[in-house]
Amino acid sequence: GQQVMQIPQYQHVQEGEDFTTYCNSSTTLSNIQWYKQRPGGHPVFLIQLVKSGEVKKQKRLTFQFGEAKKNSSLHITATQTTDVGTYFCAGLGAGSYQLTFGKGTKLSVIP
Amino acid sequence: DAGVIQSPRHEVTEMGQEVTLRCKPISGHNSLFWYRQTMMRGLELLIYFNNNVPIDDSGMPEDRFSAKMPNASFSTLKIQPSEPRDSAVYFCASTLRGSGRGGETQYFGPGTRLLVL
Repeated sequence: GQQVMQIPQYQHVQEGEDFTTYCNSSTTLSNIQWYKQRPGGHPVFLIQLVKSGEVKKQKRLTFQFGEAKKNSSLHITATQTTDVGTYFCAGLGAGSYQLTFGKGTKLSVIP
Repeated sequence: DAGVIQSPRHEVTEMGQEVTLRCKPISGHNSLFWYRQTMMRGLELLIYFNNNVPIDDSGMPEDRFSAKMPNASFSTLKIQPSEPRDSAVYFCASTLRGSGRGGETQYFGPGTRLLVL
């Protein structure tokens, strides 16, 4: 079955430093989604990438979808304490109805 | 829009007891998912409904778990009998499948935090 690997599992950064999490799928994806879960909260949809090589930005967040549509990354520039949480990627396989979630990267930001 | 509603928000029970978790999806959504989240295993899909029909229950751990969706606005996840290893956060999520946007964005409820003693 489809597997989605996400690294790193944990990341501690000083406020103001950059942060990147990487996602790799065992199969080609039709799209990839990113979610953020605040401590004690629930996953909240951030963005969806569909096209090969696509890059999208949301303020300090930059999302990329690989050319082969098997990997993706989320980069946060100049982290803030409000960025704290776990970031999940979730891949939708070709012809599938079911998202496969990565295990997430838990981001801690030290003020 | 009220979003996905789950109840109870917290449940503490003793081993062997029956537990019923409830979910009301976003009005108009036609697909519903039950997930379980633990530190060790992350977010696991338990079962998926489309138009109230269970499509894939391969993630349901064992026969102690059952899920129903009697109508478009209500679903339950039942554990009977419960065991300590069932302790986790259970999320319900809904989506509008076939919305034509090229993906299946899921809207999660706040979750039910279950502790089985």
